[in-house]
Amino acid sequence: QITLKESGRTLVKPTQTLTLTCTFSGFSLSTSGVGVGWIRQPPGKALEWLALIYWDDDKRYSPSLKSRLTITKDTSKNQVVLTVTNMDPVDTATYYCAHRRGWVHTFDVWGQGAMVTVSS
Amino acid sequence: QSALTQPPSASGSPGQSVTISCTGTSSYNYVSWYQQHPGKAPKLMIYEVNKRPSGVPDRFSGSKSGNTASLTVSGLQAEDEADYYCSSYAGGNILGYVFGTGTKVTVL
Repeated sequence: QITLKESGRTLVKPTQTLTLTCTFSGFSLSTSGVGVGWIRQPPGKALEWLALIYWDDDKRYSPSLKSRLTITKDTSKNQVVLTVTNMDPVDTATYYCAHRRGWVHTFDVWGQGAMVTVSS
Repeated sequence: QSALTQPPSASGSPGQSVTISCTGTSSYNYVSWYQQHPGKAPKLMIYEVNKRPSGVPDRFSGSKSGNTASLTVSGLQAEDEADYYCSSYAGGNILGYVFGTGTKVTVL
């Protein structure tokens, strides 16, 4: 059974850097084709894809946020970390991590989400 | 890349069918549909245009024509009331994903 769980600070100030950790079980991020992605959802708004890291350490970012995002993985710890620099109140959202099936372009299992508020 | 366009809302009575469109999908046949109930994480309902994950009722079906994908929910049930989002893999120099604007389905 695949599970993912997001963790990190829930309240950050404007201009600060957000660091979120996705801890997962039930799969290995060293398995060919597998990936872990991050998606966010501002309150009452639509989902927005942020980043994806593949088993081979290939990384992809949303073009609109690329300059502010960094995604890394620690295969031995079964963790994926997303950092977002220069946080702004418009970045207030629930941040989800999700499992990308090997060689299938879809996110088939999602974490419960972590609500992050940006406020001074 | 721009979000995919979905109608804001759709509705139907129990037992009826409702179809949601998603415009702007790429030429790749990598369209997914997610269901989201209030306060919950999205749940995968359809992937690769028309494939259902294990456990998803066959009342849910997907299709694609040109750059528009569709999700049809047949035999509407009360528990189908939720937000639905499409998603498409974007190739080119992005090699990432784009989500739709979301559709609120109401069971009357």
